[in-house]
Amino acid sequence: QKEVEQNSGPLSVPEGAIASLNCTYSDRGSQSFFWYRQYSGKSPELIMFIYSNGDKEDGRFTAQLNKASQYVSLLIRDSQPSDSATYLCAVTPRRDTDKLIFGTGTRLQVFP
Amino acid sequence: DAGVIQSPRHEVTEMGQEVTLRCKPISGHDYLFWYRQTMMRGLELLIYFNNNVPIDDSGMPEDRFSAKMPNASFSTLKIQPSEPRDSAVYFCASSPRQGLFWPQHFGDGTRLSIL
Repeated sequence: QKEVEQNSGPLSVPEGAIASLNCTYSDRGSQSFFWYRQYSGKSPELIMFIYSNGDKEDGRFTAQLNKASQYVSLLIRDSQPSDSATYLCAVTPRRDTDKLIFGTGTRLQVFP
Repeated sequence: DAGVIQSPRHEVTEMGQEVTLRCKPISGHDYLFWYRQTMMRGLELLIYFNNNVPIDDSGMPEDRFSAKMPNASFSTLKIQPSEPRDSAVYFCASSPRQGLFWPQHFGDGTRLSIL
């Protein structure tokens, strides 16, 4: 079992819709969770992070964390074609809180 | 503020040659990370440093890989001898504090092709 799992996609949504990206993790003691966006040929850039159960909102983005079920999700409201990218979920494992363990990413396509 | 700076951006070389990748972290960041990204394996942590000291190199694939951080503003990742399977994008990232609540900031990466 991979430490951080994401569906590779592509996830295709129409412009203006809500895109829902999901991530599960295996280490129940993981403490903080990050979402990065990576455009093709570019480096990962941080969107937001969350460490408490519940929702955290930042503009059109909402991160949701459920530690009991070991999943974290990212919702993108009013999706735009410019949101088309790969979204990487990253987790700080309990055994080494200096590190981030990345999932392989979900490719999102927003079509006009 | 300047971000993480990596050089070169692209490197094409022949199998068996030595390759050196360079990284300048964001000033004041205590942590520096080297990653490798491939389509098959995604983003993998190779090694990271805290205050110039290597902390965990368990991700370094084999002895052909080595990394150094001689001072707070410079790190190198060296591959000697290089092999075609080393072809990937190598990212350097830095973070100001322990990773729990402090995100990592990535450089633009070095796209390495070994022929």
